[in-house]
Amino acid sequence: DAGVTQSPTHLIKTRGQQVTLRCSPKSGHDTVSWYQQALGQGPQFIFQYYEEEERQRGNFPDRFSGHQFPNYSSELNVNALLLGDSALYLCASSLSANNSPLHFGNGTRLTVT
Amino acid sequence: AQSVTQLDSHVSVSEGTPVLLRCNYSSSYSPSLFWYVQHPNKGLQLLLKYTSAATLVKGINGFEAEFKKSETSFHLTKPSAHMSDAAEYFCVVSDITGGFKTIFGAGTRLFVKA
Repeated sequence: DAGVTQSPTHLIKTRGQQVTLRCSPKSGHDTVSWYQQALGQGPQFIFQYYEEEERQRGNFPDRFSGHQFPNYSSELNVNALLLGDSALYLCASSLSANNSPLHFGNGTRLTVT
Repeated sequence: AQSVTQLDSHVSVSEGTPVLLRCNYSSSYSPSLFWYVQHPNKGLQLLLKYTSAATLVKGINGFEAEFKKSETSFHLTKPSAHMSDAAEYFCVVSDITGGFKTIFGAGTRLFVKA
């Protein structure tokens, strides 16, 4: 039973570029959440997708957008990259039931130069 | 609004001694509370969760936490630390006022000395 998988594991981009990160949820899960974790800090909630729609959103600019596909997998897109976007991006899947625990992938390490 | 405060950024213990990681929360309604652990360069793993059942919650790897509503605390404990417990620990709150967004504390780094 595969857990949450994220790709790629590492990525280096230049300021101003665009990036797409991908996530496949744990089998049986229908909800995907994305978090940004800067070095030495706790994860910050970006947004959550359920039934292919954004259900909740944190305090992130519109440069951060996402998508969920019919198979529940998800993408995180970041446009016009800034140096400050360098972080570990974590995907977590869960069941749609409220307060279902999150299951995390190992993350994508994004470095913006 | 919901929030969570981890009172110690770093905790250092000797192997075999008790562990206490402190967490206070703020929530307008009955919250759900979680502890997650993160080993270096890894994703997060759920240790335990509280969702309005028993106030003493047992988790994996010998960890447990007690929900104290009067103190708005959810401290994580373990009777005897092991070297493999060295990691970053996050206290997490979720409640209906936040639309069940999951809010993480800043984390506590646990060091275990031999």
